[in-house]
Amino acid sequence: DVVMTQTPPSLSVAIGQSVSISCKSSQSLVYSDGKTYLHWLLQSPGRSPKRLIYQVSNLGSGVPDRFSGTGSQKDFTLKISRVEAEDLGVYYCAQTTHFPHTFGAGTKLELK
Amino acid sequence: QVTLKESGPGILQPSQTLSLTCSFSGFSLSTSGICVSWIRQPSGKGLEWLATICWEDSKGYNPSLKNRLTISKDTSNNQAFLKITSVDTADTAIYYCARFLYYSSYDFDYWGQGVMVTVSS
Repeated sequence: DVVMTQTPPSLSVAIGQSVSISCKSSQSLVYSDGKTYLHWLLQSPGRSPKRLIYQVSNLGSGVPDRFSGTGSQKDFTLKISRVEAEDLGVYYCAQTTHFPHTFGAGTKLELK
Repeated sequence: QVTLKESGPGILQPSQTLSLTCSFSGFSLSTSGICVSWIRQPSGKGLEWLATICWEDSKGYNPSLKNRLTISKDTSNNQAFLKITSVDTADTAIYYCARFLYYSSYDFDYWGQGVMVTVSS
């Protein structure tokens, strides 16, 4: 299975601060079609996961543009500019390039 | 508006079979490129993909549980199902169903609220 390693496990931030979360995969996530199926989700407290970014850098519907995703091959980053209170929760990266689909362990974003 | 909602038994005993239902609206499982997946999350832990079924009835299973999983669908009633045989306390988790887009983003774009399942004697 592809292992997804997220760092840091947790982050303490102040509102308005910018933060980055890293996700590294044990194998390249580039599929034979040339696309990279690395995605980011947010699970707010007590809620189900919600799609944020798909295929490395594409914002999901309704996701504010203070979220951005970059990366390639095995190394990916989610950046949140100007954190707002509604951004708090656990962020997961997920890969669907390989079977079985796998998720990172999550990065918990908390208020400082 | 896409919505999904999971339902299940709540609690069951070890060795029993877990049956879960995902009822959805706003899309059809007969539409080309549409799939429904099951993912679970033990309390306080991360996410584990279990299975996916697609519009043309193709299915994918997580090999770690493959022999115990059966995914199916009822297109007419907008439902997908998951059965897990021989459950154990390790199967205690919140179970989510999610829509999976096969042809476009190849990801889980909408999730249900989840259903808690407890395996206990």
